[in-house]
Amino acid sequence: QKEVEQDPGPLSVPEGAIVSLNCTYSNSAFQYFMWYRQYSRKGPELLMYTYSSGNKEDGRFTAQVDKSSKYISLFIRDSQPSDSATYLCAMSVNTDKLIFGTGTRLQVFP
Amino acid sequence: EAEVAQSPRYKITEKSQAVAFWCDPISGHATLYWYRQILGQGPELLVQFQDESVVDDSQLPKDRFSAERLKGVDSTLKIQPAELGDSAMYLCASSLAAQESEQYFGPGTRLTVT
Repeated sequence: QKEVEQDPGPLSVPEGAIVSLNCTYSNSAFQYFMWYRQYSRKGPELLMYTYSSGNKEDGRFTAQVDKSSKYISLFIRDSQPSDSATYLCAMSVNTDKLIFGTGTRLQVFP
Repeated sequence: EAEVAQSPRYKITEKSQAVAFWCDPISGHATLYWYRQILGQGPELLVQFQDESVVDDSQLPKDRFSAERLKGVDSTLKIQPAELGDSAMYLCASSLAAQESEQYFGPGTRLTVT
């Protein structure tokens, strides 16, 4: 079993929809949780960075961490075609050695 | 906005040849990472540097891979000899410090071994 599990998708939604992306993990020592967005043939771009449990909001993006369930989520409101990309969750004990999920491919169609 | 620079962006090489990738981290970032990302998977850490010292190279295939960061700034990752299974995206990331610090990634080098 992988330390971080993420549904690879693809997830296809219409423009304006609310998107929910999720990851589960097995290592209870993880304290730092990140979401990266990766466009095709590009490097990952940091979207959200969260320490421990709770919610964090940045514009149309909301990250949630539930450490008791070992479950993290990224919500995208009012999704746009430009949000079409692969979304990678990543987590770490101390932010140095990041463990990534496989990524979920999102397609937002007009 | 400061960015991590990598070159080349694309590299095609034949099996058994040597290949090298270069990374220049964001200025002032003491920690540098090399990751490998196979198509359809998340990045996996190969090696971590703190300044010029290797902190973690437990996942680096040392029989064929080597990495250096001689002056604690830019870094080179080398593969010799390259194998077909090395075809992947090689990503460099940097952070201000090793702990409690976000990692920022470069655009990557896409390697194809034929």
